[in-house]
Amino acid sequence: ETGVTQTPRHLVMGMTNKKSLKCEQHLGHNAMYWYKQSAKKPLELMFVYSLEERVENNSVPSRFSPECPNSSHLFLHLHTLQPEDSALYLCASSQDGGIGEQYFGPGTRLTVT
Amino acid sequence: QKEVEQNSGPLSVPEGAIASLNCTYSDRGSQSFFWYRQYSGKSPELIMFIYSNGDKEDGRFTAQLNKASQYVSLLIRDSQPSDSATYLCAVNMRTNAGKSTFGDGTTLTVKP
Repeated sequence: ETGVTQTPRHLVMGMTNKKSLKCEQHLGHNAMYWYKQSAKKPLELMFVYSLEERVENNSVPSRFSPECPNSSHLFLHLHTLQPEDSALYLCASSQDGGIGEQYFGPGTRLTVT
Repeated sequence: QKEVEQNSGPLSVPEGAIASLNCTYSDRGSQSFFWYRQYSGKSPELIMFIYSNGDKEDGRFTAQLNKASQYVSLLIRDSQPSDSATYLCAVNMRTNAGKSTFGDGTTLTVKP
């Protein structure tokens, strides 16, 4: 158990649905991240929050909307997704405002039909 | 040129051999270096970090850092089939505000 939890672990949604992914860290960290990992592809950083402020948004389409209400919780709101958005979505956290090692959650396997 | 580059792989070694995974990075001012292991279908897990030039050993794993040559490597001694995974190199780069930039990963297969 890494101290970073994600729900749901699996999600199937249609292109017109709205859903949210949730991440919670129990490590006392102050930075949280969303990554996308498609099959056989490297990690793609989507969003970074440090001290609850968004510090990076790597040109992610607006159909992905992050929310970080406090340093322990991170959400990724999804709407009108495309089949190519099907992937493993990973949440991670780190200390030191984001410069330390990262601890990953188990991921949410998303399938868009 | 990628900011963090790893052997394209896949890398295959026999059980009991030494597996050597290499990583080079572009930002000479980088200070922190990490190796993560990712099993198929699972999330990455941290296995080693190194901050200073030289070697750092932890069990069967040794991380080697050479800042002058801008490379970091991971050696796995007495490789086991359970070491078969993708290994990700991550570098905290000044050009990324000190946050980790990940390489694409090297897939290692240890054959019994």
